[in-house]
Amino acid sequence: KAGVTQTPRYLIKTRGQQVTLSCSPISGHRSVSWYQQTPGQGLQFLFEYFSETQRNKGNFPGRFSGRQFSNSRSEMNVSTLELGDSALYLCASSLDRGAFYGYTFGSGTRLTVV
Amino acid sequence: LAKTTQPISMDSYEGQEVNITCSHNNIATNDYITWYQQFPSQGPRFIIQGYKTKVTNEVASLFIPADRKSSTLSLPRVSLSDTAVYYCLVGDGGGATNKLIFGTGTLLAVQP
Repeated sequence: KAGVTQTPRYLIKTRGQQVTLSCSPISGHRSVSWYQQTPGQGLQFLFEYFSETQRNKGNFPGRFSGRQFSNSRSEMNVSTLELGDSALYLCASSLDRGAFYGYTFGSGTRLTVV
Repeated sequence: LAKTTQPISMDSYEGQEVNITCSHNNIATNDYITWYQQFPSQGPRFIIQGYKTKVTNEVASLFIPADRKSSTLSLPRVSLSDTAVYYCLVGDGGGATNKLIFGTGTLLAVQP
């Protein structure tokens, strides 16, 4: 079966712009979570969506937002980009909520802010 | 909120057993412990998951002591292709208020 698909794979944006990243979960998976990975901070949890509702949120500013559609696909938006937002953004899907079900990750979107 | 700590790096040789430990002093009652493997420019890949005692699958074993304040991932007979970063993840099994906490990651370098 198809894995978690993230688009685009690479993105270059200018400071002050906004960006939207997309994540298509494994068919049947209802939970989608997002992570930011940087060399300095490692893997940090952004937020989790389940049944179109944001269930949990990490410690990121309001510039980071997301949503989930009825088909479980999810988008993440970052507004007013800063240089420090350059990172690998990972999406993971899970059959249901909670770490018990395990997470399958996509290959990520590499965002570079210049 | 659980905080996880791992060694930054480890070295090993092909054919050896490797044990990577993750400390999670503030683990909650319903938190599960999961280990992931990550290669450059790829997302983390699930290895194994457990709640307590010992879990074994075809690629690894996971040891969790009774107090659950740490966990050890055991990789038997590593090969060059096991060179990667390994993360532990402590997360709420129930999902009600989970704030998923990844460990700092351990870079395992396997040499011939």
